[in-house]
Amino acid sequence: GAVVSQHPSWVICKSGTSVKIECRSLDFQATTMFWYRQFPKKSLMLMATSNEGSKATYEQGVEKDKFLINHASLTLSTLTVTSAHPEDSSFYICSANGDPNYGYTFGSGTRLTVV
Amino acid sequence: DAKTTQPNSMESNEEEPVHLPCNHSTISGTDYIHWYRQLPSQGPEYVIHGLTSNVNNRMASLAIAEDRKSSTLILHRATLRDAAVYYCILRSNAGGTSYGKLTFGQGTILTVHP
Repeated sequence: GAVVSQHPSWVICKSGTSVKIECRSLDFQATTMFWYRQFPKKSLMLMATSNEGSKATYEQGVEKDKFLINHASLTLSTLTVTSAHPEDSSFYICSANGDPNYGYTFGSGTRLTVV
Repeated sequence: DAKTTQPNSMESNEEEPVHLPCNHSTISGTDYIHWYRQLPSQGPEYVIHGLTSNVNNRMASLAIAEDRKSSTLILHRATLRDAAVYYCILRSNAGGTSYGKLTFGQGTILTVHP
């Protein structure tokens, strides 16, 4: 089945630094990928839709200059959290649709802790 | 986006069937009903989806009301590994796109007792 690999699974960074999270579709091509953020005991919140070869579409309230998304190939989308602060600490999850006849496949998530 | 309503939590005993309800009274004709589940500290996992007819797969069954305003996810024999948060989500297929975004609600926390 469709597999989405997300890396790293966890990262700790200092306040003010930037962190890049990768999302790869391993056995299919994904023209569209989605990035979510999840705080403890809360549901997933869609941040943006990543489109291969074009600009990402951000959800209302999500700062595009802070959360940089690059989807340069059909198998890789990256999310860069720039100038990270403790309030950016969260669980970040990506997803893609490998087969329209089935559901979406999600990465295993990245736990970001900003200290 | 059309919204879904689910109970906050449900409990079941191991090896018993579980019926997880979902209301979606504002569903449109192009909305697919998707179900996902999420274990702690993991990304969500696809369970099942359907449009109008009931659906079965190796994980579960999906029963869709005739008016499509509600649906029920059925786990035929719950196991401890089925303990998770279950999300019922409507995915729009408007315009024929197969990549409509998923908007998650709060989901139902399923507890399975041994």
